[in-house]
Amino acid sequence: AQSVTQPDIHITVSEGASLELRCNYSYGATPYLFWYVQSPGQGLQLLLKYFSGDTLVQGIKGFEAEFKRSQSSFNLRKPSVHWSDAAEYFCAVGAVNQGGKLIFGQGTELSVKP
Amino acid sequence: EPEVTQTPSHQVTQMGQEVILRCVPISNHLYFYWYRQILGQKVEFLVSFYNNEISEKSEIFDDQFSVERPDGSNFTLKIRSTKLEDSAMYFCASRGGSSGANVLTFGAGSRLTVL
Repeated sequence: AQSVTQPDIHITVSEGASLELRCNYSYGATPYLFWYVQSPGQGLQLLLKYFSGDTLVQGIKGFEAEFKRSQSSFNLRKPSVHWSDAAEYFCAVGAVNQGGKLIFGQGTELSVKP
Repeated sequence: EPEVTQTPSHQVTQMGQEVILRCVPISNHLYFYWYRQILGQKVEFLVSFYNNEISEKSEIFDDQFSVERPDGSNFTLKIRSTKLEDSAMYFCASRGGSSGANVLTFGAGSRLTVL
């Protein structure tokens, strides 16, 4: 079955600390992978995506993610977290022949301590 | 930057009432979607719409749900007779038509509360 797992429901990090949010997927076809962020009252904003090629992808706001096919993972990282990064983060997977139909993970809520 | 606009941001309704959620997708986009997120659960695909017809729908999207693009700009989701379990955040999304553009732009969502 197709699924996305984000094992951490809630993470708290100190401002300036590094961050890694985990995402594992199970998908039959070649996946397209996405990370979205949702701030309170806002929509889902695309942080970055992986379609093919270089397995380390850069996104907006200083985020990056690494696709590891052998581990079926697409973890999101940021070297130094800012207070404004506090939000909910969603990993999602899709496929070329199912354009737009995404399967989302549960989401990870990030809190940032001063 | 172009954005997807949804109204209302929050609607409270009584069980059994009809609800229409409205979306204005990005103007040159061709594919439109509705997703929903029940509180504490995952964001789930409901339906996709292209060329004035439904291209795919999930098991959730039963006969109580319908979508329409009544004019060149709006995309609506109608729930005919709301149930308590329809309480959720509903997200509209759109994307362009070029190949490889599997990137959805989402709206801020419409929170539906059914009492």
